Amino acid sequence: SQQGEEDPQALSIQEGENATMNCSYKTSINNLQWYRQNSGRGLVHLILIRSNEREKHSGRLRVTLDTSKKSSSLLITASRAADTASYFCATDGGGADGLTFGKGTHLIIQP
Amino acid sequence: GAVVSQHPSRVICKSGTSVKIECRSLDFQATTMFWYRQFPKKSLMLMATSNEGSKATYEQGVEKDKFLINHASLTLSTLTVTSAHPEDSSFYICSATGLAGVLEQYFGPGTRLTVT
Repeated sequence: SQQGEEDPQALSIQEGENATMNCSYKTSINNLQWYRQNSGRGLVHLILIRSNEREKHSGRLRVTLDTSKKSSSLLITASRAADTASYFCATDGGGADGLTFGKGTHLIIQP
Repeated sequence: GAVVSQHPSRVICKSGTSVKIECRSLDFQATTMFWYRQFPKKSLMLMATSNEGSKATYEQGVEKDKFLINHASLTLSTLTVTSAHPEDSSFYICSATGLAGVLEQYFGPGTRLTVT
């Protein structure tokens, strides 16, 4: 089941602007991961943030995690047309049941 | 919302045997299904993309003869781990997308495979 909720469901911005997507979840987690999916393709892992971390960077990506609010955000800076994709968050509760995915945010970067 | 099921949820098998995992879309037609593998405390790794009625496309490094994928109908894809070894023990997740133009992807609950 998909317990995570990303918002917005869809986001359209101009190239060069920053894009922020949020993810909320309900249970305690070991880590939270963000994935990207281009149309018709499989998921690609972007970044993993552990429950004891508050912020993590990778290139133009910045992820924050607030375990008290059970939420995370993914910021893509200086967006490019090639960033157009769907972005999913997934939580790992550390048990035997693997990841729980959100429904995703569809990001469109207008050239 | 759309539902994807996997069967079995957990399976334990002996080394050398084969295991079949089913992924079903329960209330929509899944033109494309993806198979992922998750190692403990790791992220998902895409194994293959399965389109109904055609051969699966495998990611680099994934042995197609070991991980047989069949997408025989718009609601069912199967992953068969042949001649399983302990290193195949993992969590396998499928996901499904609907008709062209549908942006959402739906994930199955996963199958925990343990090879002894």
